[in-house]
Amino acid sequence: NAGVTQTPKFRILKIGQSMTLQCTQDMNHNYMYWYRQDPGMGLKLIYYSVGAGITDKGEVPNGYNVSRSTTEDFPLRLELAAPSQTSVYFCASSPLAGVYNEQFFGPGTRLTVL
Amino acid sequence: DQQVKQNSPSLSVQEGRISILNCDYTNSMFDYFLWYKKYPAEGPTFLISISSIKDKNEDGRFTVFLNKSAKHLSLHIVPSQPGDSAVYFCAASELRGSARQLTFGSGTQLTVLP
Repeated sequence: NAGVTQTPKFRILKIGQSMTLQCTQDMNHNYMYWYRQDPGMGLKLIYYSVGAGITDKGEVPNGYNVSRSTTEDFPLRLELAAPSQTSVYFCASSPLAGVYNEQFFGPGTRLTVL
Repeated sequence: DQQVKQNSPSLSVQEGRISILNCDYTNSMFDYFLWYKKYPAEGPTFLISISSIKDKNEDGRFTVFLNKSAKHLSLHIVPSQPGDSAVYFCAASELRGSARQLTFGSGTQLTVLP
């Protein structure tokens, strides 16, 4: 199993450009999450999904959109990139919404907006 | 307002000695706590967890202690090894919205000196 994969690894965007960060998991997990990590800070939840067709906002959703058409894929869309969106983005998945909530993370996408 | 705090950005210990990483939280609704370990250019990986109904959980060289009245938890690594050098994140779990969500601390960089 590859686990959670993310593409691209790095990306530089100009202000106002748009892009989609891809996330795929092959563990048949129902729950998927998108986080951002700014320097010296913890991970902050952007959006999450409890299954195909169902998404919900996390702590910092502004400027982002998500969709979940399949169990495996959970892309994150930036419509109008801003310098404040410069960050490292992590996708994660989890098999349970129960007690444990152990999440499995991808390697991250480092995004710079200039 | 940070609900999960790791007040030590960095910690250095000698190989073979004990490493103690600390974490404080403010939200009484957190009922499960997790520690994640992160190497550079990789995603966080789950290390150990503890339920709020317990005060200790041990897994090999790693032990997590929870003091619920003080809203404090700590991770002990004994003996510390150079391969333990990484950033350690404390995370707290609560049911919010339609899924369990994690709130992360800002991390502690552990360096184990040979």
